Amino acid sequence: KAGVTQTPRYLIKTRGQQVTLSCSPISGHRSVSWYQQTPGQGLQFLFEYFSETQRNKGNFPGRFSGRQFSNSRSEMNVSTLELGDSALYLCASSLEWGNYGYTFGSGTRLTVV
Amino acid sequence: DQQVKQNSPSLSVQEGRISILNCDYTNSMFDYFLWYKKYPAEGPTFLISISSIKDKNEDGRFTVFLNKSAKHLSLHIVPSQPGDSAVYFCAALTSGTYKYIFGTGTRLKVLA
Repeated sequence: KAGVTQTPRYLIKTRGQQVTLSCSPISGHRSVSWYQQTPGQGLQFLFEYFSETQRNKGNFPGRFSGRQFSNSRSEMNVSTLELGDSALYLCASSLEWGNYGYTFGSGTRLTVV
Repeated sequence: DQQVKQNSPSLSVQEGRISILNCDYTNSMFDYFLWYKKYPAEGPTFLISISSIKDKNEDGRFTVFLNKSAKHLSLHIVPSQPGDSAVYFCAALTSGTYKYIFGTGTRLKVLA
């Protein structure tokens, strides 16, 4: 079965712009989580969605937002980009909320210049 | 405040020997721990997990040990293989929150 698909794979944006990243979970998976990976901070949890509702949120500013659609696909939006937002953004899906068996996508590499 | 710490950013091990990756945590509410492996240009893949009611879990060449009193867990890979070369992340969470807290990762290099 197809894995978790994230688009685009690479993105270059200018400071102050906004960006939308997309994640298609494994078919049948209803929970989608987003993580930011940077060299110094490792993997940091952004938020988790289940049944179109945000169930969990990490410690990121309000510029980071997300949503989930009825088909479980999820989007993540970052507004007013800052240089420090340059990172690999990873999406993970699981069957149900609270299921520990997350499968990660390959990520979207965002570079802010 | 880094609640999950992997103090060794890198580790080199000879093929066939044991690799030991360490992880320390500070939050005593964590009761479930996982290890993920990540190759370049790919997302992390789940490796092995352990609940706080156990002190050891084994899956083939991979064994995770949990020392709750020391708030320490370790991943043992025996024997190490060149294909094990990757970045390993440990993660912890509290049941009911389902919010993973990851460490910063340890890059393992297995030398042929």
